[in-house]
Amino acid sequence: AQKITQTQPGMFVQEKEAVTLDCTYDTSDQSYGLFWYKQPSSGEMIFLIYQGSYDEQNATEGRYSLNFQKARKSANLVISASQLGDSAMYFCAMRVRGGSEKLVFGKGTKLTVNP
Amino acid sequence: DAGVTQSPTHLIKTRGQQVTLRCSPKSGHDTVSWYQQALGQGPQFIFQYYEEEERQRGNFPDRFSGHQFPNYSSELNVNALLLGDSALYLCASSLLWSDQDTQYFGPGTRLTVL
Repeated sequence: AQKITQTQPGMFVQEKEAVTLDCTYDTSDQSYGLFWYKQPSSGEMIFLIYQGSYDEQNATEGRYSLNFQKARKSANLVISASQLGDSAMYFCAMRVRGGSEKLVFGKGTKLTVNP
Repeated sequence: DAGVTQSPTHLIKTRGQQVTLRCSPKSGHDTVSWYQQALGQGPQFIFQYYEEEERQRGNFPDRFSGHQFPNYSSELNVNALLLGDSALYLCASSLLWSDQDTQYFGPGTRLTVL
């Protein structure tokens, strides 16, 4: 079974600073994908970034980067130059390739950006 | 390019009633997945539809059923509603056999059962 652990219920960061949101995962499968989603108070899950288990380079998408450490089974999200609009819940999720199609989510981290 | 749409936005029902939620996938996508998100939790997978068939199911009772139409849109039906069914219901669409098959979510339907 797959499991995602997000140990930070809440995080605070000053505007324009960088912040790292932690995510560890557990799976015995070799082929999988890791995702980060942002959920504002409106409820919609917004896709941010994807990392495949065989990708050698860490994924980047604008101000978002994923610090993928396969041996440690961690996939931390780094947000650079935080903005007030980054305040939201952030969820890490995993999908095993070639098997279960479902996304398994962590419990999320609430990020608050202070002016 | 239209994203994933869901209707209705909010819904209030009483225990024992039945409810139908609707989802239209992102243009070009062929697969629809449904998730239930209770307050303060991450989403939980209900089931996934592809080619009008239920492809996979999570740990949810038979009271939860679904359907996918030829245009790839989907419905989620919940019978005999319980108070515990109150949650945000999220629909996600994807392209099943793509390399990344990222699931894109709609805005959700917030269901309250009284």
